[in-house]
Amino acid sequence: GENVEQHPSTLSVQEGDSAVIKCTYSDSASNYFPWYKQELGKRPQLIIDIRSNVGEKKDQRIAVTLNKTAKHFSLHITETQPEDSAVYFCATSKPRRDTGRRALTFGSGTRLQVQP
Amino acid sequence: DGGITQSPKYLFRKEGQNVTLSCEQNLNHDAMYWYRQDPGQGLRLIYYSQIVNDFQKGDIAEGYSVSREKKESFPLTVTSAQKNPTAFYLCASSPGVDYGYTFGSGTRLTVV
Repeated sequence: GENVEQHPSTLSVQEGDSAVIKCTYSDSASNYFPWYKQELGKRPQLIIDIRSNVGEKKDQRIAVTLNKTAKHFSLHITETQPEDSAVYFCATSKPRRDTGRRALTFGSGTRLQVQP
Repeated sequence: DGGITQSPKYLFRKEGQNVTLSCEQNLNHDAMYWYRQDPGQGLRLIYYSQIVNDFQKGDIAEGYSVSREKKESFPLTVTSAQKNPTAFYLCASSPGVDYGYTFGSGTRLTVV
């Protein structure tokens, strides 16, 4: 499957600061880019997503930007709070080489720690 | 459990045993997926199914098998051919392709 590169692997910020996580992908057929938050011992939960025909999407303190030319997309969290501490995963959806069918390929995750 | 239920939560397997992980959803989703999560790594795709009676191998299908006889159910069997099965297994479903996934709460499998 396609590799999705996610950086940084760990991120520590002070409460109230902003956090940015970036992912890059290689296949221009990727057209759907969700972000998931996974708290310790829990299931991943979708927090925001963006499609390839949109450059930016915002939901309260969370935003995602997509640069199709450069093949990267980023998660922005503003005014971080301790409850934002979790592992965040990016993902892309593209047709698989063997079947042409789509499934999500995930990045390796970013552990965000918000210091009170 | 938000419409998708995985059982059991913890599972212990002896060497040479096959074990089956259950995944049931009542969201009326067409597509279902199995991912494996290892510490410090992302989610890797094992198998996926976009419609009943049809499924495809993911990136790490060796040593695993699935069935999709009902829309609601997508069980995963970890066979003795899987040499390193200790991991956290996540099942997910979605209304179709290019939609957000709803994940189950996971099964933690340990080889003893």
